Amino acid sequence: DAKTTQPNSMESNEEEPVHLPCNHSTISGTDYIHWYRQLPSQGPEYVIHGLTSNVNNRMASLAIAEDRKSSTLILHRATLRDAAVYYCILALNSGNTPLVFGKGTRLSVIA
Amino acid sequence: GAVVSQHPSWVICKSGTSVKIECRSLDFQATTMFWYRQFPKQSLMLMATSNEGSKATYEQGVEKDKFLINHASLTLSTLTVTSAHPEDSSFYICSANPVIGDQPYNEQFFGPGTRLTVL
Repeated sequence: DAKTTQPNSMESNEEEPVHLPCNHSTISGTDYIHWYRQLPSQGPEYVIHGLTSNVNNRMASLAIAEDRKSSTLILHRATLRDAAVYYCILALNSGNTPLVFGKGTRLSVIA
Repeated sequence: GAVVSQHPSWVICKSGTSVKIECRSLDFQATTMFWYRQFPKQSLMLMATSNEGSKATYEQGVEKDKFLINHASLTLSTLTVTSAHPEDSSFYICSANPVIGDQPYNEQFFGPGTRLTVL
C-alpha cells in the first residue's frame, strides 16, 4: 500500500478554517485519496474522498495537487466537535478494500 | 447514512475466558466486514477480513485460532477472543461495506468499537 505522511498534530481556533496536509508521493494512478476521522473513544467515520479533482461535501473540502502527490483536507470553520484524529488513506476503493491506517493528525480545537 | 453497531460496547473479563463481540449492519447488507484492533495511543490495525459464507482472511501475526471470526449472515459478523489474556485488552472495531447493485460502495462504515479489558 502506498504510504502517506501527515503531521502528528495541529491546533486550530474555533470557527477558523483548518488545512490538514497529507503527502503521498508514491501514489499510483488508480489510488483514491480517502479521509477518515476518529473522535475520542469512537470508531472512525468517513469524511471525504477524491481521485483527481477537488471535492466538496457538507463536512469538508478536499484539495488535490495537480501531480496528486499531496492533498489537503479543509475544514471551513472548525468547531469543538471537529477535535479528532484525521487519517489520510490511499486505497483503490475504500468500500471493499481494507484500510491501512497511518498515525494520522491529531487536531485540537481551541475555544 | 448506513449504521454499524457493535455489542457489547465494553466488556471486562477474567483471564482465560472467551469473549464474543458482535458487529451488525443495521440498514444494509454487507458481504465483507473488517475487524480492526486499536491499542491506546496507537492507530487502527487490521486483524482480518470477514466474508459472508466463507472463511475469514487473517493478517500476518493474527492467530486465527485465538480470534475466531464468523460471518454467518449478510448483516452479522462475530469476533470471539478465546482464552483472553491481559495483552488482548484493546479497542476492537469493525467496519462494513454496503453493496449497491453488484458494486461495493466507496466508503466504509465503522462500528462504535468494543473496549475489552482482561483482568
